[in-house]
Formats: sequence, structure tokens, C-alpha cells
Amino acid sequence: DIQMTQSPSSLSTSVGDRVAITCRASQSISSFLNWYQQKPGKAPKLLIYAASTLQSGVPSRFSGSGSGTDFTLTISSLQPEDFATYYCQQGYSSPLTFGGGTKVEIK
Amino acid sequence: EVQLVESGGGLVQPGESLRLSCAAAGFTLSNFWMIWVRQAAGRGLEWVAYLGPAGKDISYVDSVAGRFTISRDNARSSLFLQMNSLRTEDTAVYYCVRGSPYCRGGACRLAFDFWGQGTLVTVSS
Repeated sequence: DIQMTQSPSSLSTSVGDRVAITCRASQSISSFLNWYQQKPGKAPKLLIYAASTLQSGVPSRFSGSGSGTDFTLTISSLQPEDFATYYCQQGYSSPLTFGGGTKVEIK
Repeated sequence: EVQLVESGGGLVQPGESLRLSCAAAGFTLSNFWMIWVRQAAGRGLEWVAYLGPAGKDISYVDSVAGRFTISRDNARSSLFLQMNSLRTEDTAVYYCVRGSPYCRGGACRLAFDFWGQGTLVTVSS
């Protein structure tokens, strides 16, 4: 099974800050990496697929990069509605696995 | 507008069965991969199973293989998850999810682009 490791597991930051979340796969997954945002009590929402392609309707302050085993989700200027938990997920092979999540909190 | 509405969750005892349903609207179910993902309280996301559009491509996470069965009724725009021999560790919110394929370098994989609101399954004596 491919293990997905996210870091950090949580971070405290302020509105307007630039935020970077990393995700590492235990083996190469090419660019088959997706990012999701989840707010408390809500279902996850797809932000980015194929490592760097923004899902329709997602603000351009979100971006993704990477290939192989190392990936990054960047929020260029954090907005109040961005405080949430973020998950990466590999779609390369079954079982489809998620990272443990990164909780972005208000400082 | 795409909508996925789960139902069928509840409280059951270990060893019992439960059948989850997901009603799909706003798209043609037969054209899409469908997935179940679960999340235990305060924990992360876990993929449970997927089912291809034609009903032939099926896969399960090891912890549910042989106990859970994913199926679909395209005519009724519905997805199901039959859960047998339930264990306490199956306690979670179960999400019905639509999968949309994307292709890179000649290979295609899924992104989970629409999620239902989830239904809670509690397994406890």
C-alpha cells in the first residue's frame, strides 16, 4: 500500500499569510495526487487534482505542485474561510489512500 | 446541480448488518465511477470501496473486503453499500462520492469531485 504523509499535522497562522502544506508518498505516484479541504461538520471538497490542476470554482490563491513522491499545496494569502483541514490523496493505485490531514488554525 | 444524498445509517450491534443508500441527482449515474469514503469521529478520511460505471471494476480496502459489497442501480440513480458482520471499528460517517477521471501521460485516474453530506454508522453493544 502507498502511504501518504502530510506535514505539518497542524499550523497556526494569520489572515493574509502564505501557507504551504507538504505531502509525501511512500513510492512514486506520478502526478496522481489530489487535495481536499474539509470544514468542521462538512463533507470534504475537491480543491486540486492531478497535483496542480485547480478544480472549477476554487479560488486562484490555491495552487499545487510536485510529482513523483513530493507534493505541496500552497495558499498564497490565507482568507478567513480557508481555516479548515486539508487532505492529500493518491489516486495512483488501490487502495486509494489519504494523508493524515493538516489542520490550519487561526493564530 | 449535482446532489448525493446518503441514507440508511444508524446504531447496530457488532456482527449485525446495515445497508447504506445514496441517491444521485443532477448527473447520469451510469457514466461515473462511484466511491464510498468513511471518517471516524475526529479522524482522517479512509477510502472504503469503488465501483466502475459498468459495474465490473470493483475494489475494497482490505479491512472491509469480504464483509462489504458495493453495488449500483443506474436506472434508479442509486448507489448502495451492504455492510455485513459489522465491527466496532466500522463506526464512522460514510460519504457517497462521485469519481471523475482525469488523464496524464496516457494513464487515467480518479478525483473525488462531489461528496454527499454523509450518514453516521455506529456499531456498539
